[in-house]
Amino acid sequence: AQSVTQPDIHITVSEGASLELRCNYSYGATPYLFWYVQSPGQGLQLLLKYFSGDTLVQGIKGFEAEFKRSQSSFNLRKPSVHWSDAAEYFCAVAPNTDKLIFGTGTRLQVFP
Amino acid sequence: DAGITQSPRHKVTETGTPVTLRCHQTENHRYMYWYRQDPGHGLRLIHYSYGVKDTDKGEVSDGYSVSRSKTEDFLLTLESATSSQTSVYFCAISEGRQGKNIQYFGAGTRLSVL
Repeated sequence: AQSVTQPDIHITVSEGASLELRCNYSYGATPYLFWYVQSPGQGLQLLLKYFSGDTLVQGIKGFEAEFKRSQSSFNLRKPSVHWSDAAEYFCAVAPNTDKLIFGTGTRLQVFP
Repeated sequence: DAGITQSPRHKVTETGTPVTLRCHQTENHRYMYWYRQDPGHGLRLIHYSYGVKDTDKGEVSDGYSVSRSKTEDFLLTLESATSSQTSVYFCAISEGRQGKNIQYFGAGTRLSVL
């Protein structure tokens, strides 16, 4: 069965530091991949998506993600974190259906 | 923000009572979804709809029913609420495009079953 793993439940970084959030998926073919962000008390907002082509995708708020087929990974990165980036981040996969499968999320805390 | 309105935003109810949550969209999207969000579980799909009167179950559908009589409205009903259904419920919409499933989310409904 398809699945998404986000191995880090909680990450703490200092403001200005770089960030990498990990996401691994289990699927036989190349899936469509997404990262969403959820601020406290809010719904989910799409950060970026990968469908095909260039494996490095740019998103909103200065985030990027890289698809690595050999590692079944789609890690999210940001070179310099801002305090406003504190939120929960969800990786999701659409295994060629009309449904999304979400990871369990990574909560990001940013210290000044 | 996508035109998605969830109502109510907060609800407290008692075990055994029926509860209906409403999702309304103004985007005319074909697909609508109901998820629940619980700590440690991420978002789990309850039911979804791929058109008027066309619905299907998700991974956690037991104890829930849905209806979609109009494109813009998707209702989630808990026939007899239980404490295990205390959660935050999110509605999402999508144009579909099989596989390229960009979903847009509402602000959520926080439900407490006492």
